[in-house]
Amino acid sequence: EVQLVASGGGLVQPGRSLTLSCAASGFTFDDYGMHWVRQAPGKGLEWVSGISWNSGSIDYADSVKGRFTISRDNAKNSLYLQMNSLRAEDTALYYCAKDISTAVGGRFDYWGQGTLVTVSS
Amino acid sequence: DIQMTQSPSSLSASVGDRVTITCRASQSISRYLNWYQQKPGKAPKFLIYAASSLQSGVPSRFSGSGSGTDFTLTISSLQPEDFATYYCQQSYGTPLTFGGGTKVEIK
Repeated sequence: EVQLVASGGGLVQPGRSLTLSCAASGFTFDDYGMHWVRQAPGKGLEWVSGISWNSGSIDYADSVKGRFTISRDNAKNSLYLQMNSLRAEDTALYYCAKDISTAVGGRFDYWGQGTLVTVSS
Repeated sequence: DIQMTQSPSSLSASVGDRVTITCRASQSISRYLNWYQQKPGKAPKFLIYAASSLQSGVPSRFSGSGSGTDFTLTISSLQPEDFATYYCQQSYGTPLTFGGGTKVEIK
């Protein structure tokens, strides 16, 4: 059974940093691209970032480019999102999601339960 | 960026009704269109990819169609477990973008 368990969320002040993690199991992690998708409270879905199976291809939404860094450790079956210079508008539930391909293909067949990030003073 | 526009934003329907949701892209995306279902407090569920291919395990009452800029998701006979919010999403290019969602409510 595919499982994606996100962690690392919490309350953080504007301008500070936070790192999210996603532990994957139930599939061969290094065969697939992975993504972060967020959802602000009561709002729709917004893709944040994606990374290919070997980290050779990485992309970001314009809203986070230059502030967020996605990475993965295939030996640990883990996905990460380093978030710097956080803003109030980054407040959201952050989901990690598995791609159906090795690339940053953009089809998300499995999702984690999400971890909540609240940016507030 | 490719903008995805869904309509309606919400609808009320009864069990057994046929429901159609529309998604329009701001430019041609061929058939790089996916659909997700999200229930309150839950993560989205992958329903349809490549505009019309049903993900494994998804009931056959769900179907998708379209190409280019105009797409539809149809539920042929609405079931109680189908009341949820539905999102379209383009995978033609990055940044990947979602529609604003369509909330399907009980009439």
